[in-house]
Formats: sequence, C-alpha cells, structure tokens
Amino acid sequence: GAGVSQSPSNKVTEKGKDVELRCDPISGHTALYWYRQSLGQGLEFLIYFQGNSAPDKSGLPSDRFSAERTGGSVSTLTIQRTQQEDSAVYLCASRGGPRSTDTQYFGPGTRLTVL
Amino acid sequence: SQQGEEDPQALSIQEGENATMNCSYKTSINNLQWYRQNSGRGLVHLILIRSNEREKHSGRLRVTLDTSKKSSSLLITASRAADTASYFCATGDTGTASKLTFGTGTRLQVTL
Repeated sequence: GAGVSQSPSNKVTEKGKDVELRCDPISGHTALYWYRQSLGQGLEFLIYFQGNSAPDKSGLPSDRFSAERTGGSVSTLTIQRTQQEDSAVYLCASRGGPRSTDTQYFGPGTRLTVL
Repeated sequence: SQQGEEDPQALSIQEGENATMNCSYKTSINNLQWYRQNSGRGLVHLILIRSNEREKHSGRLRVTLDTSKKSSSLLITASRAADTASYFCATGDTGTASKLTFGTGTRLQVTL
C-alpha cells in the first residue's frame, strides 16, 4: 500500500500560535516515531509509540510539545505557543515490528517555519 | 543529543570514484543502520549491520562495523550523480532495542 504520509507539507505560523502536524503511518505498522531535523542537522528523536504501550516521550524538548496516536494509526504532533527555535522539518516514521532491526519507513516531512 | 558523529561533514567527488563515510558512536549497540536523505526530506533505509557482524554488502554499498572502536564506515563504489544526498548512520541500542539514534550526517556531492 501507500507509504507514510504527512500533512501539511509546509506550515508557516506566527510565534505564539499552536500548530498540529499529522502523520499517517503505513497500514498495520505498530511502531510510530516523530523526529525533528533542524537545518543542516541530524535527526532528533522526539517521541515513540509502540502498539498499546505507553509512549516514550523522552525526546520531547519541552511541555509545549505533545503527541497522540489515535486507534493505533494516525498520529498528531502538537506544538503549543510556537517559538522561532521550533522551526525545523518534522519527520514521522513507522515500523512494522517492535525491534530496532526492523526497517523504519519515513514520511516526506512537514517543514515548519515560525516567524 | 546525537549518538553518532559522522565524518566528513561534506564530501565532493567525481562520478565513478568511491565515496567513504565514517560514523562513530558512544554507547553499546544492537545494530547500526545507514540511511540516505535527498533534499532535506524523508529518509530511505539503505543497509543494516548487526553488532555481531563486521562487514556487509548490498549492491554498490559496503558497510563495516568495528564495535571495539565504536565506529562504522559506508563505502559507495563507482559513484553516480544520483548518489548525491545526505547519508546518516543510526544506532539501535541494546537497552530498549526500539529506538534509533541518528548521527549528524555526511553531505555527499557527486559531480559529472
């Protein structure tokens, strides 16, 4: 079927506004990740969902960041009161199995610009 | 924080030459993977090497892993202009064995 999709592809917002980023994983994939990539940098892990287990939120940079995964499928990353340093590409990935040796499939990302 | 540091940060070669990128990491790992990223967007998985393996091949790709030195290398042979991209190593840890920690990446430019 289709790969991982993300929306919107680009988002421009004003400082202080809230934004929601959406990820549709590959159907049937139990694991879902969010990463952040600042310009010219590597990927920074944000949050990880695996099945019905409690999510691993250890990478969220502040309490302005939160994420949900409804029905074990679609996930939404919410950033409240956005700051300019939140500007980055937000990447979502899904994985079919629970092991790190299973391949992660990435979406195209959402480029967030906070003015 | 980044687990892996890649070297060089940028590499420019001519088509047909080989490209070698290195990755160093800090903690014990379960596996190490290499990904490719075009134009700052989604990443594509290239190859995985487990901690008990020393070398692996896939097409024009050759990956080595030295766990005693906590380092890996990715060799792309007979490079093509289409290989122009950023390459990232990512490590799966021995703990949760569920997360990948990505390096800082090497930007490869292959010119005609």
